[in-house]
Amino acid sequence: EPEVTQTPSHQVTQMGQEVILRCVPISNHLYFYWYRQILGQKVEFLVSFYNNEISEKSEIFDDQFSVERPDGSNFTLKIRSTKLEDSAMYFCASGQGSSGNTIYFGEGSWLTVV
Amino acid sequence: AQSVTQPDIHITVSEGASLELRCNYSYGATPYLFWYVQSPGQGLQLLLKYFSGDTLVQGIKGFEAEFKRSQSSFNLRKPSVHWSDAAEYFCAVDPVGSSNTGKLIFGQGTTLQVKP
Repeated sequence: EPEVTQTPSHQVTQMGQEVILRCVPISNHLYFYWYRQILGQKVEFLVSFYNNEISEKSEIFDDQFSVERPDGSNFTLKIRSTKLEDSAMYFCASGQGSSGNTIYFGEGSWLTVV
Repeated sequence: AQSVTQPDIHITVSEGASLELRCNYSYGATPYLFWYVQSPGQGLQLLLKYFSGDTLVQGIKGFEAEFKRSQSSFNLRKPSVHWSDAAEYFCAVDPVGSSNTGKLIFGQGTTLQVKP
């Protein structure tokens, strides 16, 4: 069964450093997403991406965050200058369509900012 | 305000017992509804979904869920729980008629513990 893959599975970084989280969505999917789950809290939507541009972003997704689809397969989340509160599990997801279509999640990337 | 509520933060059941995990939502229209499971150290796996039609939906691993419009609920059930079902369960909603971007709103999750 096709799946969303994410790398790295765990990354520890120093505060202020840039981090790039990578994702390979399911190949025939057109919509891509990043979600975040701070330990003990809800899974939160960060951003959706379609047709090479952001279609929606949450309040969390400020100027420190950016997304990119640099080639036909990868989808990345960049955090420019990490803060302690960015420590979380980051989930990449993809779907074939927009509202109402099933979204498939990757296994997540644990980011620890120290 | 639009929200998804899972009233039970933590549930413990004995292996072989039945299970019901509750989920309520507050949206004007009927949203699309999902249940995901997260095992320790794993990602979010889709158990089942409801878009329209039959209000009782079957999912993987023997789970089912029933959509009740009158109660704005989408409770997850399993007749006989196995030890491997111990995990965290998330109800999620895709509000139809929103910005149409497939953004999911998650409940806070229910942790299921299974006693031998």
